[in-house]
Amino acid sequence: GAVVSQHPSRVICKSGTSVKIECRSLDFQATTMFWYRQFPKQSLMLMATSNEGSKATYEQGVEKDKFLINHASLTLSTLTVTSAHPEDSSFYICSASWDRGRYQPQHFGDGTRLSIL
Amino acid sequence: AQSVTQPDIHITVSEGASLELRCNYSYGATPYLFWYVQSPGQGLQLLLKYFSGDTLVQGIKGFEAEFKRSQSSFNLRKPSVHWSDAAEYFCAVVLHGNQFYFGTGTSLTVIP
Repeated sequence: GAVVSQHPSRVICKSGTSVKIECRSLDFQATTMFWYRQFPKQSLMLMATSNEGSKATYEQGVEKDKFLINHASLTLSTLTVTSAHPEDSSFYICSASWDRGRYQPQHFGDGTRLSIL
Repeated sequence: AQSVTQPDIHITVSEGASLELRCNYSYGATPYLFWYVQSPGQGLQLLLKYFSGDTLVQGIKGFEAEFKRSQSSFNLRKPSVHWSDAAEYFCAVVLHGNQFYFGTGTSLTVIP
């Protein structure tokens, strides 16, 4: 089946630094990628949707200057958490899909555990 | 408000017992419906999905789900639970395009 690779799986860094998370579709061309955030014991909350070659669409309440998303190619999207603070600590999950009419299957990465000290 | 509800936050079952996880949605139209499973620290794995047609759908790992329009429900079932089924289970819907809305999840504990 379709494979989505997310890297790194875990990152610990100091407050104020920027962190980049990569999401790659390994065996298909992902026209759309999604970024989710998941707090402990909670569901996934969609942060943004990005289509290859265009600006990401952010959900209400998500700071676009804080969470920079780049989807420069059909196999790679990156999420950069700028000037990260402890409240940004969370589990971030990406998913990728390709155009298949109304329903575009989403395939999820294994997530990135971000801890800001 | 439109929503996906999983009434049970946590369920504990004995290994070999049957399982049913509940999911209800409140949307005007029938959405596409999904069940995902998430092991600790992992991403999501698709168990099964419903688009249309037969309201009883079969998935991987012996899971099945039944869509009931009159009840706006899409409950997940398994006849005999295995210890490896312990995980977090999420119901999700797609209304249009490809935007997923996830339920709050049900944590499953399996006791020997």
